[in-house]
Amino acid sequence: SQTIHQWPATLVQPVGSPLSLECTVEGTSNPNLYWYRQAAGRGLQLLFYSVGIGQISSEVPQNLSASRPQDRQFILSSKKLLLSDSGFYLCAWSAGADTQYFGPGTRLTVL
Amino acid sequence: AQSVTQPDIHITVSEGASLELRCNYSYGATPYLFWYVQSPGQGLQLLLKYFSGDTLVQGIKGFEAEFKRSQSSFNLRKPSVHWSDAAEYFCAVGGGATNKLIFGTGTLLAVQP
Repeated sequence: SQTIHQWPATLVQPVGSPLSLECTVEGTSNPNLYWYRQAAGRGLQLLFYSVGIGQISSEVPQNLSASRPQDRQFILSSKKLLLSDSGFYLCAWSAGADTQYFGPGTRLTVL
Repeated sequence: AQSVTQPDIHITVSEGASLELRCNYSYGATPYLFWYVQSPGQGLQLLLKYFSGDTLVQGIKGFEAEFKRSQSSFNLRKPSVHWSDAAEYFCAVGGGATNKLIFGTGTLLAVQP
């Protein structure tokens, strides 16, 4: 069966520091991968998605970037964090145009 | 524009009572529709989905939803709510080659004993 992992689970970072969040999927090949952000009291906002290695599409211009160095690895990064980057970050995968399955999430607090 | 509206931000029901959570969508093509549930601090768990066929779909935990194309709705129902159903519920619409999902803002369900 397929599983999706995210780490770290919780992160507290100062403003201006770099960020790297990792997502990995097991048990499938060539998945679509997604990064979402969930701000307090709001729904999920799609940040990036990838349909293959090295293929990244950005949905919202912002202080973040994404990379997919391996088939089942998706990384969310920032060079300098802003207060507004705080939130709950969720990674998801799908087998093409099918159901998206979500990871456990990373709670990021920028102080 | 593509969008999902969940008009109820917060709903409180008594344990054992029936539940209906509303979802309306705007989508240019034939939609794929989903309901997810999220417990505090957790990821999203799929409750059910509609791609095509029978407009009444059954999901996990005794939930069901009905797709009504004429009303652009996909409401979630459960005949008898359990205390463990307290969580936040998200409706989403998507489809196409990239399978991008658009989420509603969620409905927070509280269950009274």
